Amino acid sequence: ELKVEQNPLFLSMQEGKNYTIYCNYSTTSDRLYWYRQDPGKSLESLFVLLSNGAVKQEGRLMASLDTKARLSTLHITAAVHDLSATYFCAKREYGNKLVFGAGTILRVKS
Amino acid sequence: EAQVTQNPRYLITVTGKKLTVTCSQNMNHEYMSWYRQDPGLGLRQIYYSMNVEVTDKGDVPEGYKVSRKEKRNFPLILESPSPNQTSLYFCASSSRGWNTEAFFGQGTRLTVV
Repeated sequence: ELKVEQNPLFLSMQEGKNYTIYCNYSTTSDRLYWYRQDPGKSLESLFVLLSNGAVKQEGRLMASLDTKARLSTLHITAAVHDLSATYFCAKREYGNKLVFGAGTILRVKS
Repeated sequence: EAQVTQNPRYLITVTGKKLTVTCSQNMNHEYMSWYRQDPGLGLRQIYYSMNVEVTDKGDVPEGYKVSRKEKRNFPLILESPSPNQTSLYFCASSSRGWNTEAFFGQGTRLTVV
């Protein structure tokens, strides 16, 4: 059974600082996704990582995938208040099923 | 505009009163799923459908039913809601293919009292 674990579950950051969210998963399977969710909103797709060594960047966010370590990271560079949200990683299983981590609540303080 | 539409967005109901949450997508996607989101647990799959008339249980199917009579629609039915089904529900759709991504509806916040 595929399990996905994120840490930390809550992250309070100062503006301008860097930090990393970690996503570990238990079985080998393709595709890892990162989503962002604002309070009361739906999930917004951030990144789709398809293979070992994949790295994608969008603004202050960079995601990477290490399939040998079964680990993905979401790195935040020079955080700004607008990045405050909940971030989820998810792995794709059979039938296009997504197995989600518990989510990381990010709060960026000025 | 490509989208997944859920209705209603908010619903308060009483224990035992049957309800249906509708989900419709306009992208001709084969796959559709229902998830529930609870604090500290992320999203968990309730049911999924790989095509018309093909549905199967996800991780937390107890107390829910679904149907897929048309490709675009995938309603979630709670025959006898209970308070432990109070949650935020999301419908998602995706196409076949190796690098497809899922599109999520706006969510339905359900409270059962």
